[in-house]
Amino acid sequence: NAGVTQTPKFRILKIGQSMTLQCTQDMNHNYMYWYRQDPGMGLKLIYYSVGAGITDKGEVPNGYNVSRSTTEDFPLRLELAAPSQTSVYFCASGKTGATNNQPQHFGDGTRLSIL
Amino acid sequence: GQQVMQIPQYQHVQEGEDFTTYCNSSTTLSNIQWYKQRPGGHPVFLIQLVKSGEVKKQKRLTFQFGEAKKNSSLHITATQTTDVGTYFCAGNTGGQKLVFGQGTRLTINP
Repeated sequence: NAGVTQTPKFRILKIGQSMTLQCTQDMNHNYMYWYRQDPGMGLKLIYYSVGAGITDKGEVPNGYNVSRSTTEDFPLRLELAAPSQTSVYFCASGKTGATNNQPQHFGDGTRLSIL
Repeated sequence: GQQVMQIPQYQHVQEGEDFTTYCNSSTTLSNIQWYKQRPGGHPVFLIQLVKSGEVKKQKRLTFQFGEAKKNSSLHITATQTTDVGTYFCAGNTGGQKLVFGQGTRLTINP
């Protein structure tokens, strides 16, 4: 039961570097989400996707990009990393969207530090 | 934009005491979900509430959705050390997204 798999689990970046956070799910879910969680805070939505080829901005999209070429994969790209992007990043998936009362299934997270 | 406020931010109790966290939305919600995140872990879905005034129970946990569908609460009776973690509410106003509260971190003295 893999569920939602995120890689890497930890990463340290230098300011200005770029990287891609990987997320894949094997539940054939249409909906996928990227959140960031700052210490002691809740989850803030970065980007989401309602299906392959479709993405939309969440609450805090600046500094990030996403793509959704397949149902399974939803990578998050950081360009020109900044210290403010130090956070824990969670990927989640859902069978349908929030209006249909479907739960979101989360990966284990990627802990990213930018120095 | 929609905001979901959750209080308290922290709660420390003795094992066996009760615990309650409250969630308030600035707008009427279509539904609300509750998640639990263990220290160092990821959020795990607990339950969803849809109907006005709805009450659901899971063993020692009782979830309520307000009559106006703008607030919700989670009550744990007789806490156990396994209840340690952060509890989040997440509200939906009819779109495809959830808006998460800041969470209530529960710690327990055994």
